[in-house]
Amino acid sequence: AQTVTQSQPEMSVQEAETVTLSCTYDTSESDYYLFWYKQPPSRQMILVIRQEAYKQQNATENRFSVNFQKAAKSFSLKISDSQLGDAAMYFCAYRKYSGGGADGLTFGKGTHLIIQP
Amino acid sequence: DSGVTQTPKHLITATGQRVTLRCSPRSGDLSVYWYQQSLDQGLQFLIQYYNGEERAKGNILERFSAQQFPDLHSELNLSSLELGDSALYFCASSYSAILDTEAFFGQGTRLTVV
Repeated sequence: AQTVTQSQPEMSVQEAETVTLSCTYDTSESDYYLFWYKQPPSRQMILVIRQEAYKQQNATENRFSVNFQKAAKSFSLKISDSQLGDAAMYFCAYRKYSGGGADGLTFGKGTHLIIQP
Repeated sequence: DSGVTQTPKHLITATGQRVTLRCSPRSGDLSVYWYQQSLDQGLQFLIQYYNGEERAKGNILERFSAQQFPDLHSELNLSSLELGDSALYFCASSYSAILDTEAFFGQGTRLTVV
């Protein structure tokens, strides 16, 4: 079974600085998707960024980018120019490619990101 | 606002009881996913329905069941409740059955079993 590990329970960064959240995963699949979700105090789960394993290019969404290392099974999230609104729990998630089937997301335990003003 | 509506937002009930959680997916979305978030287990996938049919099962207990109705709303039924069932239950929806579009999450139902 696939597993997702986030080794940093909590991270703190100064406003406007850059922070990197780590995620590793274990799978025997070759095709899969990886995601970062944000959960602010409102509890809403918000998709931040996604990466298809077959794509070599790292995904980027504005201030958010990933470093996807397929061989190392690593998927880190970099947040540039951190803002107070970025404070939240961040979850790394995995889903295998189902080829027409279906599957749910496997989540890591989360990293609590604190933004210091 | 994700467009996914979950009711109720909060629910307090006693052990041994049965409750029903409701989810209305985004307009046009055919697939509904249920997740449980607890302090012990983290976020876990429970079950998925697509256009009324069960498509995938995760770590769903036998005491739990779900269904998706013709209008595409879904209900998660939890019975013989135990203290350990206290958790935040999320519903997510997507257009596709294989989640090749991003899944939109509702705000969750906070279940407290006392």
